[in-house]
Amino acid sequence: GIQVEQSPPDLILQEGANSTLRCNFSDSVNNLQWFHQNPWGQLINLFYIPSGTKQNGRLSATTVATERYSLLYISSSQTTDSGVYFCAVEPRETSGSRLTFGEGTQLTVNP
Amino acid sequence: DGGITQSPKYLFRKEGQNVTLSCEQNLNHDAMYWYRQDPGQGLRLIYYSQIVNDFQKGDIAEGYSVSREKKESFPLTVTSAQKNPTAFYLCASSRTGRSFFGQGTRLTVV
Repeated sequence: GIQVEQSPPDLILQEGANSTLRCNFSDSVNNLQWFHQNPWGQLINLFYIPSGTKQNGRLSATTVATERYSLLYISSSQTTDSGVYFCAVEPRETSGSRLTFGEGTQLTVNP
Repeated sequence: DGGITQSPKYLFRKEGQNVTLSCEQNLNHDAMYWYRQDPGQGLRLIYYSQIVNDFQKGDIAEGYSVSREKKESFPLTVTSAQKNPTAFYLCASSRTGRSFFGQGTRLTVV
């Protein structure tokens, strides 16, 4: 099956710093999403971005489908950005949003 | 409010018992999913359903069962055949490619 690798596995920042999280995937996809899991376990959908670039406030994401990677940018980080960030993909040959998740990037933002 | 509601939030099960986790959505989404998350890991797909009265196995379906009798509801039963059921269980629904999750149920075998 498709492989999803996220890097770095852990990231510690000071409040106000910027960061880039990376997601590499091993096959063509028709669905790619970024999620934030807060300390209570809730997953929040950040972006649906199978290709191209999107921005939402301090967050933006870029997926280069031909090169099989996606990047999540966090600018001016805040302590509330702490948590785990997951990339999830659906291979092109499947349907129904059957997502395969990476193992996540654990982000800690210190005050 | 529209959303996905999972209950209970915490569940304790004795070995050999079946337990059922509830998932209800009022988003009018056709597709619903169950995922399992173990500590420090990503989510793995257990079962999914794209339409009422139809569902398919995901990557780790052994020891689990589901039903989809109503569009709004997709309960998951963890059977005694599941050898290591202690985990965090997340229900999701999707529309136009975007997935939305409930708050999860933490199941512990005691």
